[in-house]
Amino acid sequence: QQQVKQSPQSLIVQKGGISIINCAYENTAFDYFPWYQQFPGKGPALLIAIRPDVSEKKEGRFTISFNKSAKQFSLHIMDSQPGDSATYFCAASPNSGGYQKVTFGTGTKLQVIP
Amino acid sequence: DVKVTQSSRYLVKRTGEKVFLECVQDMDHENMFWYRQDPGLGLRLIYFSYDVKMKEKGDIPEGYSVSREKKERFSLILESASTNQTSMYLCASSLPTDGNQPQHFGDGTRLSIL
Repeated sequence: QQQVKQSPQSLIVQKGGISIINCAYENTAFDYFPWYQQFPGKGPALLIAIRPDVSEKKEGRFTISFNKSAKQFSLHIMDSQPGDSATYFCAASPNSGGYQKVTFGTGTKLQVIP
Repeated sequence: DVKVTQSSRYLVKRTGEKVFLECVQDMDHENMFWYRQDPGLGLRLIYFSYDVKMKEKGDIPEGYSVSREKKERFSLILESASTNQTSMYLCASSLPTDGNQPQHFGDGTRLSIL
C-alpha cells in the first residue's frame, strides 16, 4: 500500500526554470516530511524537511510548501541548475515516540538541461 | 560527517547462494536500516535495528534476515538468493527518532542474482 504518492515520475526543466515535485499522503499521523536528493551512484541525502505547523520552509533555492488540509506537500526548486539533476524522494513519518517508520515516495528523476 | 560504508558497490551471485551484504557506520547511531531501491517503487524497508541484537521487520522482509552483533555493523543476509532479489540495496543509520532524525545512507550495493 503506497501511503505517499509522488509525481511526476520524471521531469525535464530548462536551466533557470522552476522544478516542482508533488507528494500526497493518507496517514494523518504523519508529522515529519523530509525530502531526499540522490545523485547517480550515491545514496540519498537529506535535502530539506518540514513539520505541519508551518506552511512553507525555504532553504536557498529549495522550498517546501505544505497543505495540511489537503494532505499534500511539494518541493519547488527555483532557478534550477544542471547540478540539481538528481532523483528526489519525498517521505513522511509519524512522531509518537520510539522508532517510527519512514515512508518514501516512489521518486522523481529531474533533469535540468542547459 | 556521518559515514555509512557498504562493503561492496557491485556484487554478482548465483541463484541459491547465501549472500551477505555488510554495512558499517562511524557515528555511534542507534538505528540502522536496510532498504532496497527499485525503479518506480522507491525505497522499501527490509529490516531495521534500533539496538545491538535487536531487529524489526520492515515492509518486505521475506527472503531476508539481518544480524547486528556490534553497534556499528548491520548485515543483510539473503538465505537463498533468487533472481527477484536483483536490486540496489541501501543501508542507512540514524540517531533515535525524538524529533525525527534524518537517515544517513551509504552509496548502495548493486546486487545481481544470475
